[in-house]
Order: sequence, then C-alpha cells, then structure tokens
Amino acid sequence: GESVGLHLPTLSVQEGDNSIINCAYSNSASDYFIWYKQESGKGPQFIIDIRSNMDKRQGQRVTVLLNKTVKHLSLQIAATQPGDSAVYFCAETGPSYNTDKLIFGTGTRLQVFP
Amino acid sequence: GAGVSQTPSNKVTEKGKYVELRCDPISGHTALYWYRQSLGQGPEFLIYFQGTGAADDSGLPNDRFFAVRPEGSVSTLKIQRTERGDSAVYLCASSLTLGQNTEAFFGQGTRLTVV
Repeated sequence: GESVGLHLPTLSVQEGDNSIINCAYSNSASDYFIWYKQESGKGPQFIIDIRSNMDKRQGQRVTVLLNKTVKHLSLQIAATQPGDSAVYFCAETGPSYNTDKLIFGTGTRLQVFP
Repeated sequence: GAGVSQTPSNKVTEKGKYVELRCDPISGHTALYWYRQSLGQGPEFLIYFQGTGAADDSGLPNDRFFAVRPEGSVSTLKIQRTERGDSAVYLCASSLTLGQNTEAFFGQGTRLTVV
C-alpha cells in the first residue's frame, strides 16, 4: 500500500523503550482530542481520546497528556513494540462534544527497532 | 462484523474525467464522514452525513466535488472534471451517531491518481 507521510517527523525507538509523541493544537476552544494510529495502506485507527476537562487519561500501554495552557498534547507508549510502528496523528474537534469534524495534525512517524 | 468498506481501493483516471468513490459504512451507523489525505499530510475533512442529509459540507474544496447518501447507508463521493491536484487518498469513516464518546471507524481509503 501507499506509504503515509514520506516527509513526516520521525521518532525512532528501540523495542521495549517508552515513546513520547507530541502534538501542538491550534484552537484554544477545542474540547475533545483524539490520537490515531495509521499503518501504511490503512485508514486511521482510534487509540485514545481525552476531553478538555481532563489533563491525563490512561489506556492499555498508552497515556495521553493534555496541557491546555500551551495547547499541547502528548501520547506516551509504554514498552514500545514493533507493531507500534506507524504514523500517529492527533486530532481535535470544535467547541462541542461532537466528533463530527476532526482537524488532524501533520503526524509523526514512529519507527521501532528490535 | 465487517468494518467500513471503500471501493475501489485504487483508481487511476485521466485529467478531466469523472470519478465516483464508494463507501459502505458499518451497518447501523448513522453518521458518515469523508476525508481527503494528501501524501505526507493528515486527513482533511470534506463532508459528513447524519442519515441521508449532508450536515456539514464545508470541507468540499469546490463545486466539482459532490457527495450523496440517498438511503442513509452507502455514500458516493463524486468528482467532476478531475484535476491532477485531486490526487490523494480519500477516506471514509462512520460512527454509530454523532455526539459524545462516539468513535469514528475509518475505511482503508481509495487512492485516486489523476494523470
């Protein structure tokens, strides 16, 4: 399939290490944020979300941190595995609780080495 | 169950031609979205439907682009007089409904190449 993001920022980590992927969002009124994972030739896959009334949310091996003061979002992946290799996008929505229109960031490519 | 299905997976067309891209959402999902993803970029919103009606088409770039969902299930994105700049991956997503905690599931996309 087509490779997504040939010129994206790249984060290279060793298998087993923790990964941190950062994202700056644009709209201070956004109140819902989502991280997506996109493998080559596939559509984006939901990983984790967070609302603006929270600053941290944990899932299985993943944690999302939200800093509204500086409009910054991060995704932490614990014990990174080769299957985590993909392009990761943050997305924000407008000032409502609808996911009806997502605004995606440019993405970060995560490469995991054995 | 089956996920969001998009056909064709690849489409090559000549400049000036008309193309149709099809999206079959997950059964029972009332909300359907179209996005366009250029190489090296994140997806860009085009249009979304709630049922049969286009609730927001503000992302359609110009009047060459049109989308329909006549029976509230399958949707077709139609592009007239294609231009080379239309080349991209067109992604469709569906969700159970609009609103809180409603995850959107994406299809694998249709890669459109205009030559």
